[in-house]
Amino acid sequence: GAVVSQHPSWVICKSGTSVKIECRSLDFQATTMFWYRQFPKQSLMLMATSNEGSKATYEQGVEKDKFLINHASLTLSTLTVTSAHPEDSSFYICSARKSGLAGGRTGELFFGEGSRLTVL
Amino acid sequence: AQKITQTQPGMFVQEKEAVTLDCTYDTSDPSYGLFWYKQPSSGEMIFLIYQGSYDQQNATEGRYSLNFQKARKSANLVISASQLGDSAMYFCAMREGGEYGNKLVFGAGTILRVKS
Repeated sequence: GAVVSQHPSWVICKSGTSVKIECRSLDFQATTMFWYRQFPKQSLMLMATSNEGSKATYEQGVEKDKFLINHASLTLSTLTVTSAHPEDSSFYICSARKSGLAGGRTGELFFGEGSRLTVL
Repeated sequence: AQKITQTQPGMFVQEKEAVTLDCTYDTSDPSYGLFWYKQPSSGEMIFLIYQGSYDQQNATEGRYSLNFQKARKSANLVISASQLGDSAMYFCAMREGGEYGNKLVFGAGTILRVKS
């Protein structure tokens, strides 16, 4: 397998502040990472595709100025929730796929442990 | 339109029995991949099994098998000999574009509870 690590696992912040969540591929390189959002007992909704060295691709309805994504290296992508509000409270999960041939036939995505954001 | 449909919000199964979790999908892409993931209460996503659209045989991984019926566009997960640790949320997901596709779209999920 492969390891994807997210930090922090839990974060509580005040309304109006910004929060940064990191997603790291620990033992492989990932040119592409994905950010999902999950509400309690619901499915994972893809927010954006993070591309190393270029701008992220956002899904329809996701505010790019609200959810800033930076993929500065082949092992790190960050999601910054700017001016957070209580409705941004959610479980955010990142995932990564091994680059190139290392991705193998299945192109399996490896997921981080998730980050639970609570905005007061 | 829904790409992935999981019609069972919740399922119960007796320990040591087999259970089938349903999944149907919708795509016009001839090349796609189907995945099943398990999400325990802790939140992490655990990969279970993969089926490629061109695979001739149904995928199997230990106690997990995928009943792939291409004409019906269904990819049901079968868990044999259920264990208490199998209690979790299960997601079916599809990636279009074959091996080179990127986006993974998830179904609504099925909560499985294994009874002792």
